[in-house]
Amino acid sequence: NAGVTQTPKFQVLKTGQSMTLQCAQDMNHNSMYWYRQDPGMGLRLIYYSASEGTTDKGEVPNGYNVSRLNKREFSLRLESAAPSQTSVYFCASSEVPKNEKLFFGSGTQLSVL
Amino acid sequence: GENVEQHPSTLSVQEGDSAVIKCTYSDSASNYFPWYKQELGKRPQLIIDIRSNVGEKKDQRIAVTLNKTAKHFSLHITETQPEDSAVYFCAASRGKAAGNKLTFGGGTRVLVKP
Repeated sequence: NAGVTQTPKFQVLKTGQSMTLQCAQDMNHNSMYWYRQDPGMGLRLIYYSASEGTTDKGEVPNGYNVSRLNKREFSLRLESAAPSQTSVYFCASSEVPKNEKLFFGSGTQLSVL
Repeated sequence: GENVEQHPSTLSVQEGDSAVIKCTYSDSASNYFPWYKQELGKRPQLIIDIRSNVGEKKDQRIAVTLNKTAKHFSLHITETQPEDSAVYFCAASRGKAAGNKLTFGGGTRVLVKP
């Protein structure tokens, strides 16, 4: 089992460019999440998906869109990147409602110049 | 929404000593409180969690306490070892019924000096 796989690991964008972060899990989990991590601010929830076809905003959704393509995959899109979106992005999944434990991907370090 | 405050932001301890990290939360409906450990350059991993119907939980050298009335919970690490050096995050949520959307504290960087 690979667990939660994120791509790419690193990305540099110019202001205004767009990109999609990919995430896939092979644990048959219903719930998937996108978090961003900034120094001193912990992890903040961007979007959440309880199941295929459903998504819900988290604390900091502005500037992002998501797609829950199927049970395995949950992608995060930046339509017009801004320097404020420079961050480390983590995808996660969990077996909610059976178990609350979050399994994180290895992260994507994104810099927007 | 929920707000989780975590203190201290950095903590330096001598190997063998204890470390204590404290968190407060604002949403009285929160009922699930996990702690995640993130080693340098790695992904966060769950180390222990507690639910609101329990006051204390232990797992070897790690323990977590919860005071629902005061809305605070703490992580205690005893007999610290160099491998305990990491960033620790507390979090809170309304649990499974609400999709377990966690709100995290700002993190505590723990350094264990040999």
